[in-house]
Amino acid sequence: GAVVSQHPSWVICKSGTSVKIECRSLDFQATTMFWYRQFPKQSLMLMATSNEGSKATYEQGVEKDKFLINHASLTLSTLTVTSAHPEDSSFYICSARGGEAMNTEAFFGQGTRLTVV
Amino acid sequence: DAKTTQPPSMDCAEGRAANLPCNHSTISGNEYVYWYRQIHSQGPQYIIHGLKNNETNEMASLIITEDRKSSTLILPHATLRDTAVYYCIVRVSGGSNYKLTFGKGTLLTVNP
Repeated sequence: GAVVSQHPSWVICKSGTSVKIECRSLDFQATTMFWYRQFPKQSLMLMATSNEGSKATYEQGVEKDKFLINHASLTLSTLTVTSAHPEDSSFYICSARGGEAMNTEAFFGQGTRLTVV
Repeated sequence: DAKTTQPPSMDCAEGRAANLPCNHSTISGNEYVYWYRQIHSQGPQYIIHGLKNNETNEMASLIITEDRKSSTLILPHATLRDTAVYYCIVRVSGGSNYKLTFGKGTLLTVNP
């Protein structure tokens, strides 16, 4: 399958600082990228959907000013957690889709473990 | 999106077939059935998807009932590395409405 790469794999940051997570599609152009968050022993929760060159669409309850998403090119999307707090500690996962056909599958990055201390 | 129901956990002996069921009784005609799995502390991995017909690839087989209200993912010869949470997802049509909504999935444990 197609390859989606996330960086970094893990990050530890101090409370109040901002952290940027990158998501790249390595061998295809991602028209749509998705950002998920996963707390321990829970399922993935969709945070937002972004299309290249447009503003992201956030799910209900997700603060758009706290979780800044930029999808500047067809191969790169970034998620910035601003003014991070310990409760933002989680596993963040991106996903990318290369087309809008009904049966085009999405591929996932390996995830980023964020710990805010 | 149609909702799916999966058993929370299953066990399987190494080398045997693992059959993971999924109920999606409210599925509509244009919705595909997708299967992903997530090994601990990794991102989900795409396995297979189908609409009406049974599908097979190098990883698994997908059997969809004729009324499409349920499906079964089959791992023909389970290995220890197949231990993971398996998610069955029914997805609305493509375009701007595309979304993958994950339920709780089934934790498959393959035992030696």
